[in-house]
Amino acid sequence: AQSVTQLDSQVPVFEEAPVELRCNYSSSVSVYLFWYVQYPNQGLQLLLKYLSGSTLVKGINGFEAEFNKSQTSFHLRKPSVHISDTAEYFCAVSDPSNTGKLIFGQGTTLQVKP
Amino acid sequence: NAGVTQTPKFQVLKTGQSMTLQCAQDMNHEYMSWYRQDPGMGLRLIHYSVGAGITDQGEVPNGYNVSRSTTEDFPLRLLSAAPSQTSVYFCASSSHSGAEAFFGQGTRLTVV
Repeated sequence: AQSVTQLDSQVPVFEEAPVELRCNYSSSVSVYLFWYVQYPNQGLQLLLKYLSGSTLVKGINGFEAEFNKSQTSFHLRKPSVHISDTAEYFCAVSDPSNTGKLIFGQGTTLQVKP
Repeated sequence: NAGVTQTPKFQVLKTGQSMTLQCAQDMNHEYMSWYRQDPGMGLRLIHYSVGAGITDQGEVPNGYNVSRSTTEDFPLRLLSAAPSQTSVYFCASSSHSGAEAFFGQGTRLTVV
């Protein structure tokens, strides 16, 4: 079975500072990895995903993530955050049985302060 | 293009009442899923479907039923609402494994 752990429940950061949101996963088989963002009172939208190939994945809004197979991690980074990045971020892995199911971490709230 | 549409957006139920949360997508996606979101627990899978006529249980299926009579619609039924079912419910659809999942805006359900 797969599982996802997001290591920080809240990350406060000042505007224009860099940020890293940490995600570790557990799986005995290859999985696809995703980061989704949820703005207040909205649904989730995809930031980026890793399927295969280059381990550095670039997404929308200046975010990027690096897949590290040996450490089973998929940390999300942004070099300079904006107030508008304040949201909840979810790391997820897909079930490899080709069902479209996603297994989510607990979420990390990014609080960008002026 | 509407994407994934959920209705209603808000609902208050009394314990023991039943109701159906509606979900419709217009992208011709085969895969559809229902999740519930609770503070500190992320999103947990309730039921999912890989195509019309095919459904299966997820991580937390108790107290919920689903059906998939068409590709577009995937309603979630609460049979006898309980306070533990107070949550925000999200429906999602995707075209294939590894593809982006598109989420509805959510239904905030309170059971009193």
